[in-house]
Amino acid sequence: AQKVTQAQTEISVVEKEDVTLDCVYETRDTTYYLFWYKQPPSGELVFLIRRNSFDEQNEISGRYSWNFQKSTSSFNFTITASQVVDSAVYFCALYSGSARQLTFGSGTQLTVLP
Amino acid sequence: SQTIHQWPATLVQPVGSPLSLECTVEGTSNPNLYWYRQAAGRGLQLLFYSVGIGQISSEVPQNLSASRPQDRQFILSSKKLLLSDSGFYLCAWSTDRGYNEQFFGPGTRLTVL
Repeated sequence: AQKVTQAQTEISVVEKEDVTLDCVYETRDTTYYLFWYKQPPSGELVFLIRRNSFDEQNEISGRYSWNFQKSTSSFNFTITASQVVDSAVYFCALYSGSARQLTFGSGTQLTVLP
Repeated sequence: SQTIHQWPATLVQPVGSPLSLECTVEGTSNPNLYWYRQAAGRGLQLLFYSVGIGQISSEVPQNLSASRPQDRQFILSSKKLLLSDSGFYLCAWSTDRGYNEQFFGPGTRLTVL
């Protein structure tokens, strides 16, 4: 069985603050894939990043960065200099061959206040 | 580029009525297709997936069913809706079973009264 835990249900920050969204996963597979999605108020899930288990390099894309640490089974997401438009629910997800389906965490509601 | 459509966007139905939600994908061939339900604004639950025409796998026992009559068309149905069927239904596609990212449609918000 696989599991994704996003312990932070809601986070509220003031614009321009940095914020980190935590994601902890569980799987017995050695090959697996991790994802982050953003769900704005409109409801559509927007794909942000995909990472395979053999690539532990951190990634930066503009104000977004991801920290993948296999030793702690974590795949955390940091938004630098947050903006009001970053307000959304963010989901971390895991896919492994044994489960054969994408397992989502429960999501973190991020609110960025002006 | 690929596009995924869902309709209707919102739907209000009485208990016991039938349901038909449609999803179509453009710009790709032989996609893997998925139906998810999101209740109470969180937690996506996989309902069905399909790897090809007429091939449907169910992940959760329920009063819903799915069909794939054409390569890029995926339909979610019910003969009699329950109150518990209320939620946000999302269709998604991917190029494979799950190793690559899934792309989601705009969703259908269903309220059963």
